[in-house]
Amino acid sequence: SQQGEEDPQALSIQEGENATMNCSYKTSINNLQWYRQNSGRGLVHLILIRSNEREKHSGRLRVTLDTSKKSSSLLITASRAADTASYFCATGDSGSRLTFGEGTQLTVNP
Amino acid sequence: DTAVSQTPKYLVTQMGNDKSIKCEQNLGHDTMYWYKQDSKKFLKIMFSYNNKELIINETVPNRFSPKSPDKAHLNLHINSLELGDSAVYFCASSQTAGWGDTQYFGPGTRLTVL
Repeated sequence: SQQGEEDPQALSIQEGENATMNCSYKTSINNLQWYRQNSGRGLVHLILIRSNEREKHSGRLRVTLDTSKKSSSLLITASRAADTASYFCATGDSGSRLTFGEGTQLTVNP
Repeated sequence: DTAVSQTPKYLVTQMGNDKSIKCEQNLGHDTMYWYKQDSKKFLKIMFSYNNKELIINETVPNRFSPKSPDKAHLNLHINSLELGDSAVYFCASSQTAGWGDTQYFGPGTRLTVL
């Protein structure tokens, strides 16, 4: 089966609320990245966390990584309608190969 | 200017036909990729080229043949199209083939095989 599995598959919240998405993976990794995909568009890189890091912030995004549990979470604070998209985690090894998870569809209702 | 562009955006064709999708990046990157996204949005890497040389070749039917005439272009030719080839194909590029490089994605080509 694929490397990354995301939870939940779909999440619907109200504007202003926080959204948390989780990603689990199976093998050792060098880094983990999160990407966003708006409907009908390509993926856009959000944030990268290295395997020796536990938490990283970028604007309203907070990513955590627990290598002992082989899991990561993406928190979006104070969500906006424009955050509506699919969010994917991707694990990287020592090269450029990325293995993507199944994605979480986030809907932020105005 | 579009960083990673793909043509065509939509492609509808009959089973058994041969078709090509083109990709160009103007970011000056060394590495380019082809991904396939199925109807469940699962994204899987197919190929990767670094400076025109193939570096990743997943288990993809040999009906799929990538070609990189220069490091700014990576085209995908598909022979004898099958129904299961229907998907969205994304091209991407990164500065190098090293770990951790951000990948920049094109807008995708939606292929429908009838």
